[in-house]
Amino acid sequence: DAGVIQSPRHEVTEMGQEVTLRCKPISGHNSLFWYRQTMMRGLELLIYFNNNVPIDDSGMPEDRFSAKMPNASFSTLKIQPSEPRDSAVYFCASSSRTQFRTSGKLRGTDTQYFGPGTRLTVL
Amino acid sequence: EDQVTQSPEALRLQEGESSSLNCSYTVSGLRGLFWYRQDPGKGPEFLFTLYSAGEEKEKERLKATLTKKESFLHITAPKPEDSATYLCAVQAAGSRLTFGEGTQLTVNP
Repeated sequence: DAGVIQSPRHEVTEMGQEVTLRCKPISGHNSLFWYRQTMMRGLELLIYFNNNVPIDDSGMPEDRFSAKMPNASFSTLKIQPSEPRDSAVYFCASSSRTQFRTSGKLRGTDTQYFGPGTRLTVL
Repeated sequence: EDQVTQSPEALRLQEGESSSLNCSYTVSGLRGLFWYRQDPGKGPEFLFTLYSAGEEKEKERLKATLTKKESFLHITAPKPEDSATYLCAVQAAGSRLTFGEGTQLTVNP
């Protein structure tokens, strides 16, 4: 499997421009996550989808950010208009729920696998 | 609100010098505690999942343990290639993970 694929890997744009980040999750995974990583705030969850439906977007900073997942193999994160404070590395991750029994207990796991990230610089 | 605190922020070791990284957490109903490794310019790479207090998992020179309040990542006889940032995350209800700030480990030859 190729793993989670993100594009572009680097994006440099000017303030006010629209930016679109793309993600292809691992085939068969039914959950997809968008994160932002900065030195100041670490790794923050922006939004996640289960079965292409947005479940929790409480981490989306403001209305300038939007995310879509039109099908199980593709998602976009859009910033319009972009601002210098949006400069960060944006990661996409995917997971699938698996269940197993250990020590007599049935457990579920949602291990998330991350893509290589998109480094966004807004000038 | 789920909280994860990792310490130390940075750790420098000599090759072969064993040590431990700490992850303290506060969560309502822990479903899993995750350890990831992140190299510069790359995405976090999954290492371990721990589910209940007393559980341990090992991979090469790394061993992760879990109590009701914290997890340790023990590094035995580290090598320079173990240098990375190690991230801890907890999962409660739902699928979201809450990450700590990470520990930046440097192993000098």
